[in-house]
Amino acid sequence: NAGVTQTPKFQVLKTGQSMTLQCAQDMNHEYMSWYRQDPGMGLRLIHYSVGAGITDQGEVPNGYNVSRSTTEDFPLRLLSAAPSQTSVYFCASSTRSARLGSYNEQFFGPGTRLTVL
Amino acid sequence: DQQVKQNSPSLSVQEGRISILNCDYTNSMFDYFLWYKKYPAEGPTFLISISSIKDKNEDGRFTVFLNKSAKHLSLHIVPSQPGDSAVYFCAAQKRGGKIIFGKGTRLHILP
Repeated sequence: NAGVTQTPKFQVLKTGQSMTLQCAQDMNHEYMSWYRQDPGMGLRLIHYSVGAGITDQGEVPNGYNVSRSTTEDFPLRLLSAAPSQTSVYFCASSTRSARLGSYNEQFFGPGTRLTVL
Repeated sequence: DQQVKQNSPSLSVQEGRISILNCDYTNSMFDYFLWYKKYPAEGPTFLISISSIKDKNEDGRFTVFLNKSAKHLSLHIVPSQPGDSAVYFCAAQKRGGKIIFGKGTRLHILP
């Protein structure tokens, strides 16, 4: 299994450009999430999905769109890039566990480092 | 409002000694607490968890302690090894809900 894959690894954009960060997982996980990591800010949730066709907003959703047409893929779209979106972006996936006492261990991709000039 | 707080941005510990990383939370409704470890240029990886109904969970060199009355948890690493140098994120989750991460603590293991 490849686990969670993200492309590209690095990207430089100009302000106002749009792009899509790709995320795919081959573990048949229901949950998928996007986080951004900024210095001194930890991991902040952007958007998440509990299954194909279902998405919801996290802590910092503004300026980003997501869709979940398949279980495997969860792309993140930047509609009009801004310098404030310079960050490292992580995609994660996990199973949905209904067992009492269980939690959702998240598997993270390697990240995409985005710079917006 | 920060629900999960890691107040120490960094920590340096001698190799072979005990590393103690601390985490505080504000929401008493969390069901699980988790620790993730992150190396540079890699995604975080799951390390250890604890349910809110327990006060201790041990896995090899790693032990997590939960003090619900103080809304505090800690990760103990004994003995500390050079490969433990990384950023450690504390996280909390309601069952089936979103995971909330702290800002992380960078652990340096000194030779």
